[in-house]
Amino acid sequence: KAGVTQTPRYLIKTRGQQVTLSCSPISGHRSVSWYQQTPGQGLQFLFEYFSETQRNKGNFPGRFSGRQFSNSRSEMNVSTLELGDSALYLCASSLGTGRGTDTQYFGPGTRLTVL
Amino acid sequence: AQSVAQPEDQVNVAEGNPLTVKCTYSVSGNPYLFWYVQYPNRGLQFLLKYITGDNLVKGSYGFEAEFNKSQTSFHLKKPSALVSDSALYFCAVRVGTDGNKLVFGAGTILRVKS
Repeated sequence: KAGVTQTPRYLIKTRGQQVTLSCSPISGHRSVSWYQQTPGQGLQFLFEYFSETQRNKGNFPGRFSGRQFSNSRSEMNVSTLELGDSALYLCASSLGTGRGTDTQYFGPGTRLTVL
Repeated sequence: AQSVAQPEDQVNVAEGNPLTVKCTYSVSGNPYLFWYVQYPNRGLQFLLKYITGDNLVKGSYGFEAEFNKSQTSFHLKKPSALVSDSALYFCAVRVGTDGNKLVFGAGTILRVKS
């Protein structure tokens, strides 16, 4: 099976712009979660989508949003970019049973640099 | 709130020696515990998980982890380290009622020297 794919792999934006990142989960996986990884804050949960609905949300401002399509592919959007948004954004997919026992499989990430 | 602590920023071990990467957790309820590894410029690779049952969990690449409920620990171990094991290791916890949200530790850099 193909793994989780994320596009693009690298992005450079300037402050105030917005950005959209894409994630294609493993075939058959219905849950997609997003995480932000920075040297200072480590790995932090952004949100989870299942069946096109946000099922869980982390403590991030409303500038961070996401959506999921009927084929389980997901996008996340960051509006009004700030320098502190520079990070590696990781997408993870899982079956989505919701019981907490699923294994999440991560994509390679999108490296976002905000100038 | 659930949390994970990895008390060592870095662990150094000689190739062929056993390695241990430590993890302790704090949760309310039954913990579901995970170990992931990250190589430079890569995403996270799943190593193993503890859900229930046998306290010794075996995973990928010869790694194993021991769940200790009384000490609230989930240390990652390998009997014989390889230079290729050098990477960043993350312990994570998920509580069953919280969907798929993972709470990660800060990570431990493992350096294996030949």
